[in-house]
Amino acid sequence: NAGVTQTPKFQVLKTGQSMTLQCAQDMNHEYMSWYRQDPGMGLRLIHYSVGAGITDQGEVPNGYNVSRSTTEDFPLRLLSAAPSQTSVYFCASRGDRGHLTGELFFGEGSRLTVL
Amino acid sequence: AQSVTQPDIHITVSEGASLELRCNYSYGATPYLFWYVQSPGQGLQLLLKYFSGDTLVQGIKGFEAEFKRSQSSFNLRKPSVHWSDAAEYFCAVGARAAGNKLTFGGGTRVLVKP
Repeated sequence: NAGVTQTPKFQVLKTGQSMTLQCAQDMNHEYMSWYRQDPGMGLRLIHYSVGAGITDQGEVPNGYNVSRSTTEDFPLRLLSAAPSQTSVYFCASRGDRGHLTGELFFGEGSRLTVL
Repeated sequence: AQSVTQPDIHITVSEGASLELRCNYSYGATPYLFWYVQSPGQGLQLLLKYFSGDTLVQGIKGFEAEFKRSQSSFNLRKPSVHWSDAAEYFCAVGARAAGNKLTFGGGTRVLVKP
């Protein structure tokens, strides 16, 4: 079972460059989300989506864009990378129509370094 | 706003000893509570969850957690730790009134001594 797949696993960018982190899930989950993980701060929600065509901001949305054109895919875009965006990024999806009773499944993470 | 505090950043425990990880949350109503584990280089995996009912919940890998409303706590326990339990553990709280979003604590890294 593929579950939640993130690419790339590692990326180094220069300040000001743009890039897209890809996330795909094959579980037909309506809910998808992006978190960033920084030491001592746990995971913080960047953006989330409750279905195709619907996105919303999380706790730390600045500097990131998302779109949800299909149920399966939820890419995260950095338009102009900054060193403060150096982090490990996790995509997660949840079934049960996005309700908290559904288990949140995580990808393996994408480690991004911005120089 | 909901919040989660994990007071211990690191815990070192001997193999075979018991383990307890602390979690305190802040939320007005009854929250949805979760514990996740993250092995090195991996994503997070759900250990257990509490929504309602029996305040002692059992999870995978021999873990259990107890919800104590009076203390706003949801501590994770394991009676006998195995070397494979070395990982980082995250407590999380969610609420339907908060848009079903999860808020994570800062994590506790567990080291297991042979």
